[in-house]
Amino acid sequence: DAKTTQPPSMDCAEGRAANLPCNHSTISGNEYVYWYRQIHSQGPQYIIHGLKNNETNEMASLIITEDRKSSTLILPHATLRDTAVYYCIVRVLYGNTGKLIFGQGTTLQVKP
Amino acid sequence: GAVVSQHPSRVICKSGTSVKIECRSLDFQATTMFWYRQFPKQSLMLMATSNEGSKATYEQGVEKDKFLINHASLTLSTLTVTSAHPEDSSFYICSARDSGGAKNIQYFGAGTRLSVL
Repeated sequence: DAKTTQPPSMDCAEGRAANLPCNHSTISGNEYVYWYRQIHSQGPQYIIHGLKNNETNEMASLIITEDRKSSTLILPHATLRDTAVYYCIVRVLYGNTGKLIFGQGTTLQVKP
Repeated sequence: GAVVSQHPSRVICKSGTSVKIECRSLDFQATTMFWYRQFPKQSLMLMATSNEGSKATYEQGVEKDKFLINHASLTLSTLTVTSAHPEDSSFYICSARDSGGAKNIQYFGAGTRLSVL
């Protein structure tokens, strides 16, 4: 699976949008972009995933560039409870090779 | 989202004993489950992939005789840490892939914190 690059940390003011970038320049055509987050001492929580079109759900929006080499996760109105480590992962959708391999992620600190 | 239940959430054991951790998918069937380990201030490290009814596939450097994995049904996988030692103390997290869902999403349990004295 392709590797991803994320900034190690970011701050965001409460109520503002949090924009978390991810680079995946070696992504293959059949690999999806997945976002998870891990709040301290808990298991990772699925947020969203996409292939090439922008995606939105109740938690966040995912913007993928046209060349698919990078993406941005957007939390539209960050709250203190969004403070967590956010992981961007690329993997194939199906098949035994579709393992989630975690990098170091981005630690997002939402401040009041 | 779907629920993955992991039990126990915390366990303290003496060195040399074995510890079993259970992982259940509560509202979906999971032909594939995964076990991760996480040390303090580090990211999750994949230990092994288990497929229902077959042997687990271990990642490089993970001792299969020490970390026994059983995936006997479509909703249950167990990880047994055999002859645990203090260096095995860690946060163990299981994950299950909703293979019946169109999105094929992988969901995670809340984790088990193992402390070996």
